Amino acid sequence: GNSVTQMEGPVTLSEEAFLTINCTYTATGYPSLFWYVQYPGEGLQLLLKATKADDKGSNKGFEATYRKETTSFHLEKGSVQVSDSAVYFCALNQAGTALIFGKGTTLSVSS
Amino acid sequence: KAGVTQTPRYLIKTRGQQVTLSCSPISGHRSVSWYQQTPGQGLQFLFEYFSETQRNKGNFPGRFSGRQFSNSRSEMNVSTLELGDSALYLCASSPTDGRSTDTQYFGPGTRLTVL
Repeated sequence: GNSVTQMEGPVTLSEEAFLTINCTYTATGYPSLFWYVQYPGEGLQLLLKATKADDKGSNKGFEATYRKETTSFHLEKGSVQVSDSAVYFCALNQAGTALIFGKGTTLSVSS
Repeated sequence: KAGVTQTPRYLIKTRGQQVTLSCSPISGHRSVSWYQQTPGQGLQFLFEYFSETQRNKGNFPGRFSGRQFSNSRSEMNVSTLELGDSALYLCASSPTDGRSTDTQYFGPGTRLTVL
């Protein structure tokens, strides 16, 4: 069945450091891929998405490229801020099925 | 547009009781999905409703049920509560009928604690 694997956290960085959170997936066909972010005490917010191979999603300085050859959708940001501290979830969606999430990666950024 | 709203935000119940959670989707959205989030199991899909019909169901016992009304608002019910039902219950809405490109928009969740 379909699945999403994320790097385990927590990830601890200093402000302005480069961020990569790895995400790989297993799916038949051509899923859409998403990154969601969850701040403490809140629900999930869509961060970015990509719906086909080689698409790049971007938002608020975050980027991720849909790589079908490596079945990956790694999240990157060039310079993190303290306000980026949150839990990040990679997810996939296929027609007629529910969103499938990775286990989440906690990011902690210190000043 | 207003986002997805969920009520109540917090609930405390005791074992054996039942509970009903409510979700109002974004205006114009017809699909509503429910997820359970726990530290141990992460985010797990409960069910999805579209046009008042359950279209998809996750692997949860029959104690978990839901419904959708003609205005797309949805409720989920958990009967005979167990300690393990303590979780954050998230509702998400999307505009169409299950296309893979759909984005699901999440509400803030209802935090259920079972004592």
